Amino acid sequence: DAGITQSPRYKITETGRQVTLMCHQTWSHSYMFWYRQDLGHGLRLIYYSAAADITDKGEVPDGYVVSRSKTENFPLTLESATRSQTSVYFCASSSGSFTETQYFGPGTRLLVL
Amino acid sequence: AQSVTQLGSHVSVSEGALVLLRCNYSSSVPPYLFWYVQYPNQGLQLLLKYTTGATLVKGINGFEAEFKKSETSFHLTKPSAHMSDAAEYFCAISSGYSTLTFGKGTMLLVSP
Repeated sequence: DAGITQSPRYKITETGRQVTLMCHQTWSHSYMFWYRQDLGHGLRLIYYSAAADITDKGEVPDGYVVSRSKTENFPLTLESATRSQTSVYFCASSSGSFTETQYFGPGTRLLVL
Repeated sequence: AQSVTQLGSHVSVSEGALVLLRCNYSSSVPPYLFWYVQYPNQGLQLLLKYTTGATLVKGINGFEAEFKKSETSFHLTKPSAHMSDAAEYFCAISSGYSTLTFGKGTMLLVSP
C-alpha cells in the first residue's frame, strides 16, 4: 500500500526489554521523523533522518536508537524500555526539510509495564 | 529559539458556530507556520501552512488562518462548525533551519 505505515500498532512490554518500532514509507521521501505524543506535551521529536545513513537527535533522544540503512525504512529501538517511555509514537516523512509538509503514520501505542 | 503557544486545551462550539483556535508564536527569524489536525486514533494531517507571501492561508475542510506578524499570531478559523470537525488541532512552527516544534494541542468539541 502506498503511504506511510507503522508496526506494530499496539505493543505491551516490560521494563528492561528491547522494543523496535517499525516505520515504512513508499514515497521515497528523504526526510523521516520519530515523535512521541504524551498528554500535556503535544508531539516531541525524538530523532530524524535527512537521508539513508544520516540521523540526528531531536528534543528527547535519550533511551532511543535509530538507524536508516534504506530510504524507505526508519526503525526506532528502545534499548531497555522504561515506564516513562509509555506513549504513542508517530513516524512521519517529508520530501524536504522541516519547512515541508510532514506526512504521518497511524501511530504505535506502547505500554511499558 | 522558537515556540508556539496554543491558548485553550479545549474549545467547545455548537454546530454551525464560528470556530476560532488561537496560536501565538515566538521566533527570531521569519517563521513557517502550520496547522495539523488529528482525528481519534489517527496520525496528524496537514490542514494548512504559511510559508511566505499572502498572509491569509486557506486550507482543507473550509479552514483558514491569518499570519499576523505584528501580533505574532496564526489563529485558525472556520465560519461554521460541523460535527466532523471534532478533533485535536496542533499549531507548529519551523524557523530558519530548525526542526518543527508543535504546540500542546487544542481539542475541539462540537455539540449538536
